[in-house]
Amino acid sequence: LAKTTQPISMDSYEGQEVNITCSHNNIATNDYITWYQQFPSQGPRFIIQGYKTKVTNEVASLFIPADRKSSTLSLPRVSLSDTAVYYCLVGDFVNSGGYQKVTFGTGTKLQVIP
Amino acid sequence: DGGITQSPKYLFRKEGQNVTLSCEQNLNHDAMYWYRQDPGQGLRLIYYSQIVNDFQKGDIAEGYSVSREKKESFPLTVTSAQKNPTAFYLCASTSGQSRYEQYFGPGTRLTVT
Repeated sequence: LAKTTQPISMDSYEGQEVNITCSHNNIATNDYITWYQQFPSQGPRFIIQGYKTKVTNEVASLFIPADRKSSTLSLPRVSLSDTAVYYCLVGDFVNSGGYQKVTFGTGTKLQVIP
Repeated sequence: DGGITQSPKYLFRKEGQNVTLSCEQNLNHDAMYWYRQDPGQGLRLIYYSQIVNDFQKGDIAEGYSVSREKKESFPLTVTSAQKNPTAFYLCASTSGQSRYEQYFGPGTRLTVT
């Protein structure tokens, strides 16, 4: 399972774009990159998943360079409600029959400031 | 609405008592998981189950037990053998398509005194 490294915390003002980078130097060929968001006292929520280049949905964008050794979650124009912990996970996408443990690290605590 | 329910949201117990946390899903997902989260920490896997009547230990299974008699239900028992049971417990499920798009319940905060 590829190990991930992300900043422990970040601060941002409301209305700014926030970029959270995750490093995963040992990513395997079949691994996908997945990001979750967790608000205090709630379960994590799936935000976005990608394999290469760029993925965008209504919540965020995910940028993955060609070497796939890192990825960047981009949150456009954050608001106070985006204050949360963001987790980067890397692993096999398809359930091939063997279980691969899903590991949530400590994530990045994003604090949005008014 | 499909989803995962956990009950109760808050639970208080005396030390030495076993307690069972409920987790139910109506998403028709095969796999279910239990995680523990301590303040300021990430999630740690306790147990997981890929199909009915089968489950596997995660990273911190000692002091916990589970059952999977129905696809929809995956209760977790915190036994008196768990040395530090006070924590936030999260249940999740996923379809067979991806282990990484997990759907989480609202969690149960257990306090043992």
